[in-house]
Amino acid sequence: AQKITQTQPGMFVQEKEAVTLDCTYDTSDQSYGLFWYKQPSSGEMIFLIYQGSYDEQNATEGRYSLNFQKARKSANLVISASQLGDSAMYFCAMREGFYSGGYQKVTFGTGTKLQVIP
Amino acid sequence: DTAVSQTPKYLVTQMGNDKSIKCEQNLGHDTMYWYKQDSKKFLKIMFSYNNKELIINETVPNRFSPKSPDKAHLNLHINSLELGDSAVYFCASSQNMWASGDTDTQYFGPGTRLTVL
Repeated sequence: AQKITQTQPGMFVQEKEAVTLDCTYDTSDQSYGLFWYKQPSSGEMIFLIYQGSYDEQNATEGRYSLNFQKARKSANLVISASQLGDSAMYFCAMREGFYSGGYQKVTFGTGTKLQVIP
Repeated sequence: DTAVSQTPKYLVTQMGNDKSIKCEQNLGHDTMYWYKQDSKKFLKIMFSYNNKELIINETVPNRFSPKSPDKAHLNLHINSLELGDSAVYFCASSQNMWASGDTDTQYFGPGTRLTVL
């Protein structure tokens, strides 16, 4: 089974509108971390936001928020008031394995390409 | 100041050649990584080092050899380059993969686009 699933290969959003990028994950660990990264066309990977599995509040960072629904194993990224500069690939990622005795690593999803339309 | 830097940014070479990519981080982090991003944008871990010690070595051909001279540097040497090695290689670092647990956030370098002809 895929550890991280991003079902939207591409999305469009109108400038100034909000957009939700979907991410579901699969783990048997009780403790894990969820991350979102942005990759603009220039190629760099930019860390956006982190959510811990035990965090009760949804993480927020400026216009980014993470809609964490633990029972559904989803960690959707919400971008409010989209800007042209938000056009990029967005990757969801999960860290697991810290408490299970093995080495832990981060698994990335396949990404969602977001295009913001003026 | 660049937090995680890689050189070179672009690398074009012939099949069979040997090449190296260098990575440096000035974040004071203990853990460093190499990732490969293929043409479909899929990102996969190759190696990780913690305080110069190899921790993760995914199923990577032994033509790839990482070296960490100190905890701020992680280099990747590739022998006998093949067409399938063409990809973007990212270096990343995080505070400490053991101490920080699931909060350990990775920060990426700008990537090195390797093209093998």
